[in-house]
Amino acid sequence: GQNIDQPTEMTATEGAIVQINCTYQTSGFNGLFWYQQHAGEAPTFLSYNVLDGLEEKGRFSSFLSRSKGYSYLLLKELQMKDSASYLCAVTDSNYQLIWGAGTKLIIKP
Amino acid sequence: ETGVTQTPRHLVMGMTNKKSLKCEQHLGHNAMYWYKQSAKKPLELMFVYSLEERVENNSVPSRFSPECPNSSHLFLHLHTLQPEDSALYLCASSQASGTGGSPLHFGNGTRLTVT
Repeated sequence: GQNIDQPTEMTATEGAIVQINCTYQTSGFNGLFWYQQHAGEAPTFLSYNVLDGLEEKGRFSSFLSRSKGYSYLLLKELQMKDSASYLCAVTDSNYQLIWGAGTKLIIKP
Repeated sequence: ETGVTQTPRHLVMGMTNKKSLKCEQHLGHNAMYWYKQSAKKPLELMFVYSLEERVENNSVPSRFSPECPNSSHLFLHLHTLQPEDSALYLCASSQASGTGGSPLHFGNGTRLTVT
């Protein structure tokens, strides 16, 4: 079967750095997405990786290793507003999106 | 208005009721989706429409009935639901379905409670 694994919950301190990992086993690979979802709100697109390496967008970076079936989302200079769930999703060989259950990130002052 | 708009935000219905969820996108996208989101579970794809034609129905019970009258509007008609159908129902749109890098744009969802 197809599977996406990410930690259920993580806690970090304001101003620090946190890395949220995502591992996947899918039938083929056509890209990996990260979304942010604040409680009671819509998921919003953060990043898309299709080639190996690091993509940086301001305080957020996303890394992909296709050979290891692994990605991470790196958040720097954490702010209280970064408290949210972070969803990892992989597009398989049929261009179906396979979703992880999400990682709830709690930021403490 | 911009983005994806869903109404209502909250809905409480009995098991014998009939109600409809509405979604509207103002992004000029060609594909629209219904997802079910339950606590601590991955998003479950329910239906996909591409250019107003249904392209996917992931074994969803017939008590859920989608309708896509045009590329900007999507409905989910509900009847004789069960308590386990209580969840957040998310509508999304994208430039195209079945392509790799086209991100989804989501609405804020309808929080459905079936009593």
